[in-house]
Amino acid sequence: EVQLEESGGGLVQPGGSLRLSCAASGFTVSNNYMSWVRQAPGKGLEYISLIYSGGTTYYADSVTGRFTISRDNSKNTLYLQMNSLRAEDTAVYYCARDEWFGDLFGAFDIWGQGTMVTVSS
Amino acid sequence: DIQMTQSPSSLSASVGDRVTITCRASRSISRYLNWYQQKPGKAPKLLIYAASSLQSGVPSRFSGSGSGTDFTFTISSLQPEDFATYFCQQSYSTAQLTFGGGTKVEIK
Repeated sequence: EVQLEESGGGLVQPGGSLRLSCAASGFTVSNNYMSWVRQAPGKGLEYISLIYSGGTTYYADSVTGRFTISRDNSKNTLYLQMNSLRAEDTAVYYCARDEWFGDLFGAFDIWGQGTMVTVSS
Repeated sequence: DIQMTQSPSSLSASVGDRVTITCRASRSISRYLNWYQQKPGKAPKLLIYAASSLQSGVPSRFSGSGSGTDFTFTISSLQPEDFATYFCQQSYSTAQLTFGGGTKVEIK
C-alpha cells in the first residue's frame, strides 16, 4: 500500500528547533517530488517546501532560511528540519507526494496523516 | 507569487443539490489547477487535477472546468459524505505552489 507517515511533532518554545520525519511505503521517495504543506488551526493550506527527485529544493518565503527539507534514501524518508521556530509556525504539518500526471501536471496525490507542531512558551 | 481566490468561503446545501465553487488565479495558469477535499481532522484528498481530470477512484459526480484564470468545481448531486472543505491549488509555479482559501460545504 502506498502511504506516508509523519512523526516528530510536539510542543517547542519560540526560537527552538524540531525535526519532522515522513516515512514512505509502497513507493520510493527519491524518485518523486515531495513536499511539506502545513495548516494552522482553523486555517487553510500553506505549501512550505518542495524537493525534486534530482535534489533541488524550494521554500516558501515564510520559512526560507529557517527550514530545511531533506531525505534519506536508505530509509525512504523525507525530513523537515525547523529552526528558529515562531508562534506563527504552529500548525499541522503534512508531507505529500507531488505526482506528475502525463509528465506535465503536478498534484499532491498521497498525503500523510499530519503531525502537530505547537510553538509556545 | 500567484494568488488563488476561492469563492464562496462557505455555503449551505442539501443532499441532492448541485454545488459550484469558483477559483480565480491572479494570472494565467493554463490548466495547472487541482481540487482537494478535506474532512475535519483528516488530510486533504486529491479529487481533480489538470483542471478537469478526475483522480482515480473519485466519484463522477465531481467535476472541474476552466483554464487561464477562472476555474469551476462542481458536485452534480451532493451526497452526505461530501460535506467537507474544498481547496483549489495552482501547480503552474512549481517552486511557489499556492492554495485557495477553501470553501466549507455545510448541511442546510
